[in-house]
Amino acid sequence: AQSVSQHNHHVILSEAASLELGCNYSYGGTVNLFWYVQYPGQHLQLLLKYFSGDPLVKGIKGFEAEFIKSKFSFNLRKPSVQWSDTAEYFCQRRALTFGSGTRLQVQP
Amino acid sequence: GAGVSQSPSNKVTEKGKDVELRCDPISGHTALYWYRQSLGQGLEFLIYFQGNSAPDKSGLPSDRFSAERTGGSVSTLTIQRTQQEDSAVYLCASSPTYGWDEQYFGPGTRLTVT
Repeated sequence: AQSVSQHNHHVILSEAASLELGCNYSYGGTVNLFWYVQYPGQHLQLLLKYFSGDPLVKGIKGFEAEFIKSKFSFNLRKPSVQWSDTAEYFCQRRALTFGSGTRLQVQP
Repeated sequence: GAGVSQSPSNKVTEKGKDVELRCDPISGHTALYWYRQSLGQGLEFLIYFQGNSAPDKSGLPSDRFSAERTGGSVSTLTIQRTQQEDSAVYLCASSPTYGWDEQYFGPGTRLTVT
């Protein structure tokens, strides 16, 4: 069965720090990868997605992710976080398989 | 345009009662998904519908859970004889097709079984 692993369960950063959240997916099958964000009290919404092509994908709000096939990874990055980035972040693989989520807390 | 809506937003029920949760997807979206979100557990897939195909029920945790989608639009998730472990947020999402599009999520229904 396909799976997605997010090893960082809770991350605490200060504003302006750089962010990298890990996402690893299992071998085999179609690789469509997504990152979603859930701000406090809000719906899950899409940050970015990768289907094929350029492995560096840019999303909304300054987020980007890099697909590294050899490492089965699709890590989410942001050079400088803001307090408003405090949220829960989910990596998803092709429709049904989500990681367990990473709770990001940004301290002002 | 209108997004995915779910009702009720909150539901408190007694153990052993049946509950129905409703989802109105975005018009024209052929794929509809139900997930369960528990604290620290991420999103657990329950069931999805794609067009007129038979639904994929492989994520339903027990036969107390069932779902239907009428007319390719509104969906209802039913939990019979609720148990305390059913307490969670139930999320519905829809997408234009299965697997190749982002999913649009509703606000969820928070179910509390006492």
